[in-house]
Amino acid sequence: GDSVTQMEGPVTLSEEAFLTINCTYTATGYPSLFWYVQYPGEGLQLLLKATKADDKGSNKGFEATYRKETTSFHLEKGSVQVSDSAVYFCALSEEGGADGLTFGKGTHLIIQP
Amino acid sequence: AAGVIQSPRHLIKEKRETATLKCYPIPRHDTVYWYQQGPGQDPQFLISFYEKMQSDKGSIPDRFSAQQFSDYHSELNMSSLELGDSALYFCASSPRGHIYGYTFGSGTRLTVV
Repeated sequence: GDSVTQMEGPVTLSEEAFLTINCTYTATGYPSLFWYVQYPGEGLQLLLKATKADDKGSNKGFEATYRKETTSFHLEKGSVQVSDSAVYFCALSEEGGADGLTFGKGTHLIIQP
Repeated sequence: AAGVIQSPRHLIKEKRETATLKCYPIPRHDTVYWYQQGPGQDPQFLISFYEKMQSDKGSIPDRFSAQQFSDYHSELNMSSLELGDSALYFCASSPRGHIYGYTFGSGTRLTVV
């Protein structure tokens, strides 16, 4: 079945540091890939998405590129802020969209001033 | 813009009681998904509906049932509640098809005591 593996947290960085959160996936078809962010006590918010190989999703300074050859969708940001502290989930959805999302375990990001 | 509305936000029930969670999707979104997120866990897909018909089923216990109504809102009914059912329950909606991603509601926090 489908699965998403992302780096375990917590990840602690200083403000303005470079961020990478690794995400790899296993899927039978050609999934769409997503990054969601969850702030404390809140729901999941779509951060960015990519629907086919070599697509780059970007939003709020975050980027991720759909790499089919390495089945990866790593999240990057050049300079993190304290307000980026949250839990980040990598997720995939198989073709057709009838199935629900398959999530990774989440990575807790802590940014220190 | 209208978002996905879930009610109630918080719910406390005793073991063996029943609970009903409601979800109102974004207008013109025809697909609704339910997820369960235990403390510190990733969201687990429970069930989805498309055009009022069950579309896909995930790890939903037999004690739970759900349906989508003619106005596209959905209800998750949970019976014989157990302590382990305590979790955040998220609803998401989307237009049919995976390329749009999903919009999540803020969730219902269910506590079983």
